[in-house]
Amino acid sequence: IVLTQSPGTLSLSPGERATLSCRASQSVYNISLAWYQQKPGQAPRLLIYGASGRATGIPDRFSGSGSGTDFTLTISRLEPEDFAVYYCQQYGSPPYTFGQGTKLEIK
Amino acid sequence: QVQLVESGGGVVQPGRSLRLSCAASGFTFSSYGMYWVRQAPGRGLEWVSFVSFDGNTKDYADSVRGRFTISRDNSKNTLYLQMNSLRPEDTAVYYCAKPSQLLPFHYWGQGTLVTVSP
Repeated sequence: IVLTQSPGTLSLSPGERATLSCRASQSVYNISLAWYQQKPGQAPRLLIYGASGRATGIPDRFSGSGSGTDFTLTISRLEPEDFAVYYCQQYGSPPYTFGQGTKLEIK
Repeated sequence: QVQLVESGGGVVQPGRSLRLSCAASGFTFSSYGMYWVRQAPGRGLEWVSFVSFDGNTKDYADSVRGRFTISRDNSKNTLYLQMNSLRPEDTAVYYCAKPSQLLPFHYWGQGTLVTVSP
């Protein structure tokens, strides 16, 4: 399954709302879709699993939605520490695949 | 808490071999399948390999099948990736990852950099 994320780069200011998209080439089985945040020099950090479940310790300004082939990660009010690269990943059908990432940068 | 520490990366010439290790702690290692995932510089993430909890089931990405071998030593709580016939396109940070009941790549190590260059 090929995952296509858009936009490639998103330029926003702290306090604004961010909407990131992930589109799959075929339906993701059992909404097995995750979102990760990655900062330079760090490993990916799990944010969302099962399309909408927040991982432990993740602030509630992060939310996920979607099903089938279209998924969205929303950050309701951007904090300075949220500027990073975000990846979606499907784990419903092997081989498990990642999107190419969306870079969220400060405007 | 779960801790995964990779080691063994470095600079190697094309065609040569390298073995990566991932030392696990904070959980019952022998109860979990484990994964390797890599990230080329400035690029996205790619699943590389999987091994079942007992080492009997293994799977590989097409890009590494026949060249890489995953293994584990449950007595040492350690995961391995033997990389042979290395190519420049294998240059990447290699992460080991542990699943949870929620999904395959829940916990990640800090990664180890492999550079394949003449």
